[in-house]
Amino acid sequence: DVKVTQSSRYLVKRTGEKVFLECVQDMDHENMFWYRQDPGLGLRLIYFSYDVKMKEKGDIPEGYSVSREKKERFSLILESASTNQTSMYLCASRIGGGLGTEAFFGQGTRLTVV
Amino acid sequence: GIQVEQSPPDLILQEGANSTLRCNFSDSVNNLQWFHQNPWGQLINLFYIPSGTKQNGRLSATTVATERYSLLYISSSQTTDSGVYFCAVVSMEGASKLTFGTGTRLQVTL
Repeated sequence: DVKVTQSSRYLVKRTGEKVFLECVQDMDHENMFWYRQDPGLGLRLIYFSYDVKMKEKGDIPEGYSVSREKKERFSLILESASTNQTSMYLCASRIGGGLGTEAFFGQGTRLTVV
Repeated sequence: GIQVEQSPPDLILQEGANSTLRCNFSDSVNNLQWFHQNPWGQLINLFYIPSGTKQNGRLSATTVATERYSLLYISSSQTTDSGVYFCAVVSMEGASKLTFGTGTRLQVTL
């Protein structure tokens, strides 16, 4: 079975802190994604990565950056956390090389910025 | 970009009832998935179904790609079916991006 693991289920950080959310997949997938989920707004794509060291902005990249130094790991970075980044963050991965493949999600990280 | 609409937004069922959830999309797709989000927030894969029909136990799904919709059927519902059901697609021009619908919140009561 595909396994996508996010480093924390719950996280509380202070405004202005630099925050790292980590995601690891064990199936050698090329594509990885970070979404955030907010009530009334659904799931929105922050960033995605086609392969190692490759990244593209999604719909709401402002205030975030990403890092993909190894194929299995995709990190989301909040450079200076703000209260409006309090949200549920979901990581996903899937095989690359085409558009028609199944995506798998991690368990999610509920981040609260105080 | 592609628009994905789900209906109904909310659904309350008694245990044992059947239901149909619908997902309409505005453009051609080559990837469509149904997910169930459990109370802890995790998205559980139900079906990968860009076209055709699949069944898995009490759940089945049908996608008619030419008419741009997909249906998820839940039969003999159980309280454990409660949660939010999402449809997500990748459009033909989507560059791998998975676009989600707004979801159907299902509550199954005893």
